[in-house]
Parts: sequence; structure tokens; C-alpha cells
Amino acid sequence: DVKVTQSSRYLVKRTGEKVFLECVQDMDHENMFWYRQDPGLGLRLIYFSYDVKMKEKGDIPEGYSVSREKKERFSLILESASTNQTSMYLCASRYSGRPYEQYFGPGTRLTVT
Amino acid sequence: QKEVEQDPGPLSVPEGAIVSLNCTYSNSAFQYFMWYRQYSRKGPELLMYTYSSGNKEDGRFTAQVDKSSKYISLFIRDSQPSDSATYLCAGSDSWGKLQFGAGTQVVVTP
Repeated sequence: DVKVTQSSRYLVKRTGEKVFLECVQDMDHENMFWYRQDPGLGLRLIYFSYDVKMKEKGDIPEGYSVSREKKERFSLILESASTNQTSMYLCASRYSGRPYEQYFGPGTRLTVT
Repeated sequence: QKEVEQDPGPLSVPEGAIVSLNCTYSNSAFQYFMWYRQYSRKGPELLMYTYSSGNKEDGRFTAQVDKSSKYISLFIRDSQPSDSATYLCAGSDSWGKLQFGAGTQVVVTP
């Protein structure tokens, strides 16, 4: 079974803090993704990575950055957390030859106060 | 305007009924069409996908795509309480970039 794990299920941070969200996948997938999920808006793509050290902006990259130094690990960084970044964050990975099949982690519920 | 539009529901049906879920999309470049299922406090998981137009059946689930009208459908026959979840439709272009609908919450009551 493919497993995508995220470092925390719940996280509470203060405005202005630097926040790191970690994601690890165990299936040697080339592609990895970070989404946020908000009620009524669905899943929105923040950043994705086609391979190690490669990154592409998604639909809502402002206020976020990413790092992919190893194939299995993809990190999302909130440089200076703000209250409008309170959300559910989902990481996903995918084999590049199957563009329709993303495997998601359980999500991190981030609250910024 | 979102590239994939989906009614958020909730949609409540009695056990054994047919569940009908629909999405519309605007991106003509979409080649793959997917339905993901998300249980509470879990990440989404792929339920079904279709390539281009047509129907696909898998047990109690049928997915339909009509590219001429840009319409995506999912039907669940003989619905069970375990089908209670949020269902997300998605489209993907040739680069594999997915666009998701907002998700429809389905509640199947015993």
C-alpha cells in the first residue's frame, strides 16, 4: 500500500511564525503536491514538484514556499503565518505515468491565531 | 470562475437509493476525469477515473463523461451507509495538473 504521511495532524501557530509542514511518501513517486482545502472552495493547489529539487507554482502560491531535497520528502513552508492561512493542508504524491491517480496524506489542520 | 463546478450539498438519501452526483467543467484541455472519495478526517482517495468521453462501471459505481456538454457524473447504486462521504470530481490536462470541484457531501441514512 502506498503511504503518504504528514508530520502533524493538528498544529496551532501564532501570526508571524515560520511554519514547516512535512510530507513523506514511501512509493518512489516522482511527483508530489501540496493543497489546501477550505469549505466551499475544495482543494486548491499551492505548489507541486515533478522531481527532486524541482518545484512549480500552483494556483495559490502566495505566502508559501516549498523544498524537495529528497525524492520521498516534500516540505511546505509558511514564511510568516497569517490568520488567512488557517486551513486543512493536504500532501499528495503520484507516479508520473498515472496522471489521474494521486495518493493523499491524512492532512494537517493548521490554525493560525 | 472555477474550472470545475460542483454542488456542495449535502445530499441525503435513504439506504438502497441511487445517488447521482454531477459536475460541470470549463477547461477543454481536460483528458482525464476523476472521482475521489473523502471520509471525515481522512485524505481523498481515488474512486474512479475515465479517459475522454464515455462510461465506466465498477461494481455499484458508474462514472460518465460527456465532453460535448462538459458534464461529469457519478452514480452509486444500492447506496450503503458506508458510502457516506464527500465526493470530489476532478479534471486533468495532459500535463497531469488536476483541478478539483468543491466536493459534494453525501449522507446515506439507514
